[in-house]
Amino acid sequence: DQQVKQNSPSLSVQEGRISILNCDYTNSMFDYFLWYKKYPAEGPTFLISISSIKDKNEDGRFTVFLNKSAKHLSLHIVPSQPGDSAVYFCAARGLRGNTDKLIFGTGTRLQVFP
Amino acid sequence: DAGVIQSPRHEVTEMGQEVTLRCKPISGHDYLFWYRQTMMRGLELLIYFNNNVPIDDSGMPEDRFSAKMPNASFSTLKIQPSEPRDSAVYFCASAIHTEAFFGQGTRLTVV
Repeated sequence: DQQVKQNSPSLSVQEGRISILNCDYTNSMFDYFLWYKKYPAEGPTFLISISSIKDKNEDGRFTVFLNKSAKHLSLHIVPSQPGDSAVYFCAARGLRGNTDKLIFGTGTRLQVFP
Repeated sequence: DAGVIQSPRHEVTEMGQEVTLRCKPISGHDYLFWYRQTMMRGLELLIYFNNNVPIDDSGMPEDRFSAKMPNASFSTLKIQPSEPRDSAVYFCASAIHTEAFFGQGTRLTVV
């Protein structure tokens, strides 16, 4: 039972354009949603998060949007840069009851080309 | 703080042997997670601890897998006996608030 889903395994975007990575979830008990970035041979690194009580959070070139009614979130990267090429994981976590585990999706490989 | 430290970084072992992966979380963090990265399932949660107590081990694939956290600064993931299908990258992560911080991972190869 995949509670966090990333249906696009890969995405290719030209440098300077917008990258949009999508994520869907099934459990309405999640309180936080997070995005991680992973380079080869390294551990995932935290990028940005959003609380379930918000619909948008912005940090520099990165913005995360949350649509609770659709159980959908997205990460926007503007402008995209070649250094953004990596695998991006969406994750979700609850803080109540037994939902405090951190669950990840399967990842989306982003390639930014010149 | 040096971050989450995992050892070894690489492990090659023969089928049937016991394998032990080690993790030192960030000091003060009260959550510790063990993940396995595969192409099909992404970052698969195996087990997690809160204040050294195992909370949910439903992700552990088989009885061959076990994990312990004897104190706040150390955890192990053991596979006995190991099988070729256990070959993957295993990550440990620790957390105190919302986000978790990951170690560099252990690449396990079982031949």
